Order: sequence, then structure tokens, then C-alpha cells
Amino acid sequence: QVQLVESGGGLVGPGGSLRLSCAASGTRFGDYYMTWIRRAPGKGMEWIAYVGSSNSYTNYADSVEGRFTISRDDARNSVFLQMNNLRGEDSAVYYCAGADWSVTAALESWGQGTLVTVSS
Amino acid sequence: QSALIQPVSVSGSPGHSVTMSCTGTSSDVGAYNHVSWYQHHPGEAPKLIIYDVTKRPSGVSDRFSASKSGNTASLTISGLQSEDEADYFCNSYTKSSTYVFGTGTKVTV
Repeated sequence: QVQLVESGGGLVGPGGSLRLSCAASGTRFGDYYMTWIRRAPGKGMEWIAYVGSSNSYTNYADSVEGRFTISRDDARNSVFLQMNNLRGEDSAVYYCAGADWSVTAALESWGQGTLVTVSS
Repeated sequence: QSALIQPVSVSGSPGHSVTMSCTGTSSDVGAYNHVSWYQHHPGEAPKLIIYDVTKRPSGVSDRFSASKSGNTASLTISGLQSEDEADYFCNSYTKSSTYVFGTGTKVTV
């Protein structure tokens, strides 16, 4: 497993931007498919995006397509989420999670999350 | 990308069992055996408790068991303990190469 720590959350106004980071420790980070998931207060989990190994493939939820961009830097054991044109409904705790697809598609490693608040 | 449907809440007494369902479609739950379940105590990192429909990761109690029939998956917690009180989410990989979560079930002990 990898250990994950998110950062970069905070308060931003509607239409603003934030860049979240997720630092990983442990072996074989490059083999993991990395995802971002969010949970808004009082709401359920929502999958946002994932990136395959070596930035080989990305996919996004409809709710963020065109506004958010996921990327990774395997040399730095990190994954990022660039969030543009933020809306109130984007307010949530954002988690990064990893899946070792050589074993399972399930998200076996999770970070503690970073809070994003979109408000004027 | 509609969320999988779970009951809002289930409750049980200590030592008893509870079961929750997770209903999707032939494009997600029914498509592959990529169904997983997560336990989430708010404020903490979510925890994988079931993967590939029925498998438990190392270290997860055998009080957690799961199954799938068609487009519906189920999670059972037996021998309920106070620490099982949490939110539980199912998840499935989909034919669109996305993930979809369930609406979540709050377990009260």
C-alpha cells in the first residue's frame, strides 16, 4: 500500500481556482491508478477523476469535466488536481485514493482529506 | 453517472447483524466484479473493507461479508460492535471506465 497526504485546500471565491496535491510514500507509487474523490457536508462520496500510471489515461466525472484536471508526477510521488471555475457545489472534503490494478480496481489507500470551501 | 442506490440508514443491537443493499445497473454493478465497500467515520480516512465483491483486505474483520446478485450488491455486518457505527459506501467500476459510489448508508448500533 501507499500512504497518502493531501494538501492545498482552503477558502476560495466562486469562479476561483485551487490546486490540490497528494503526496505518496511507499513503494510502487507508479503502479497505482490515482483518483480524487470528494464528500460534501451531509452528502455522499463522489468520484471526481483518475489518472493511470505514467499519465497514460485520465477520466473525469461529468460534474467536473472541463473545469478540473488531474495529473501526476511519479518522480515526486505526487498527484495533483487543478480546479478552475469553482462553484459552491464544489465545496467538500477532497480525498486522494489509489488502486493497484494488478490486484484490484478497489481504492485500497486513502488520505485524510483536505477541505475546500467555495464561498464569497 | 447516477449514484448507486443504498438505504439511508440501518440499525441493529450489539451482537446482532445488519445487511445493506447497493443497487446499480448492468453498466456498473452488474457489469464486472469490481464492487467494493468502504467504511467512513467522518473526519477520518475512508477504509476499504470489501473488494472484488466478496474479498476482505488483510486486517479487516471477518464480521464483514458481502455478495452480489445481478445488479445488486449487499454488505452484511455480523456481531455488531459500537465501532461499526459509521457511514458505509459501495462503489463500482463502470463500463464507461469511471467509478460510481453508492448514496451511502448510516449504520447505527
